[in-house]
Amino acid sequence: RKEVEQDPGPFNVPEGATVAFNCTYSNSASQSFFWYRQDCRKEPKLLMSVYSSGNEDGRFTAQLNRASQYISLLIRDSKLSDSATYLCVVNTGNTGKLIFGQGTTLQVKP
Amino acid sequence: DTGVSQDPRHKITKRGQNVTFRCDPISEHNRLYWYRQTLGQGPEFLTYFQNEAQLEKSRLLSDRFSAERPKGSFSTLEIQRTEQGDSAMYLCASSSPHEQYFGPGTRLTVT
Repeated sequence: RKEVEQDPGPFNVPEGATVAFNCTYSNSASQSFFWYRQDCRKEPKLLMSVYSSGNEDGRFTAQLNRASQYISLLIRDSKLSDSATYLCVVNTGNTGKLIFGQGTTLQVKP
Repeated sequence: DTGVSQDPRHKITKRGQNVTFRCDPISEHNRLYWYRQTLGQGPEFLTYFQNEAQLEKSRLLSDRFSAERPKGSFSTLEIQRTEQGDSAMYLCASSSPHEQYFGPGTRLTVT
């Protein structure tokens, strides 16, 4: 079993739609949680950190459920420019080593 | 440009050859990471440096792989006797307390 699991998609949605991605992690000692965005053939870039209380950044909302070891990302009012792969990421220790999920591909269509 | 840089960006090599990649992190970052990413997968951790000390290595890092960070600044990743399975994107990242910043990667193709 992978340490971080995501549905790879692809998710094909129209502009303006709301889309949700989910992720589960296996290590209950995981300490920090993130969503990264990766455009085709580019490096991953931090989209947002995820906190237990939930957090929002514009159209993006992230949630963490430590009891269920579950992380989510909600994108509202999807834009064409949101098309990318979204990587669920956890940090399990003091080294800062990141464990990535497979990534979920989003394609927003006009 | 003050971000993480990697060189070369692309490398095509024949099976059995040795290759070396370089990473220049953001100058004030003490922590440096190497990851490998294959098509359709997320990046996988290879190794981690705190200054010049290599503190963790993944079991993915076979004895054909070696990484160094001799002066705690730039780092090199060498692959000896390359195999077709080594074809991947090799990503370097350096870290502030709150975020890892990734370089553009070196795309290796072993023919």
